[in-house]
Amino acid sequence: RKEVEQDPGPFNVPEGATVAFNCTYSNSASQSFFWYRQDCRKEPKLLMSVYSSGNEDGRFTAQLNRASQYISLLIRDSKLSDSATYLCVVNIGYQKVTFGTGTKLQVIP
Amino acid sequence: GAVVSQHPSRVICKSGTSVKIECRSLDFQATTMFWYRQFPKQSLMLMATSNEGSKATYEQGVEKDKFLINHASLTLSTLTVTSAHPEDSSFYICSARSSTGYQETQYFGPGTRLLVL
Repeated sequence: RKEVEQDPGPFNVPEGATVAFNCTYSNSASQSFFWYRQDCRKEPKLLMSVYSSGNEDGRFTAQLNRASQYISLLIRDSKLSDSATYLCVVNIGYQKVTFGTGTKLQVIP
Repeated sequence: GAVVSQHPSRVICKSGTSVKIECRSLDFQATTMFWYRQFPKQSLMLMATSNEGSKATYEQGVEKDKFLINHASLTLSTLTVTSAHPEDSSFYICSARSSTGYQETQYFGPGTRLLVL
């Protein structure tokens, strides 16, 4: 089983739709969690950290479920500019960083 | 947010030559930097973890003698691809760990596209 798993997609959604991605992790000792966004042929950029209590930043909501070992990202009112690959990142200890394979989102006009 | 630079952004070289890529944290000190490689339409793959003042830790399957990493200061790590071959052509991305309070975040450089002919 992979340490971090994501549905690769693609998720094709119309503008204005709400879309959710999940990411599961296998190591219960995982300590911190992030969502990154990667545009085609560019480096990943931090979208948001994921806190235990859940957190929201504008149209984006991230949640962590430690019992089931998954994190989620919800995007409301999708924009065309949201089209990208969303990477789930899990830190296990100080040195170990693991990326999911990414979920591709395509927002359609 | 924190800024990480990489140089060069793009390099084309002949097979057998060595290529050096620099990664700098511009406004923070990074005791740990990471080097990744990404082939087209694939995910980031961690190559090695670079710690300032000590030897890098390489992931399984990554040849340490081929991919030389030096982290000589808290703001600079270098990756040298020695005797590059066409199969080394890839997108190389570095990241630096920034610690603010209890939260640690990785910031990525813009990447270096390497094409080996």
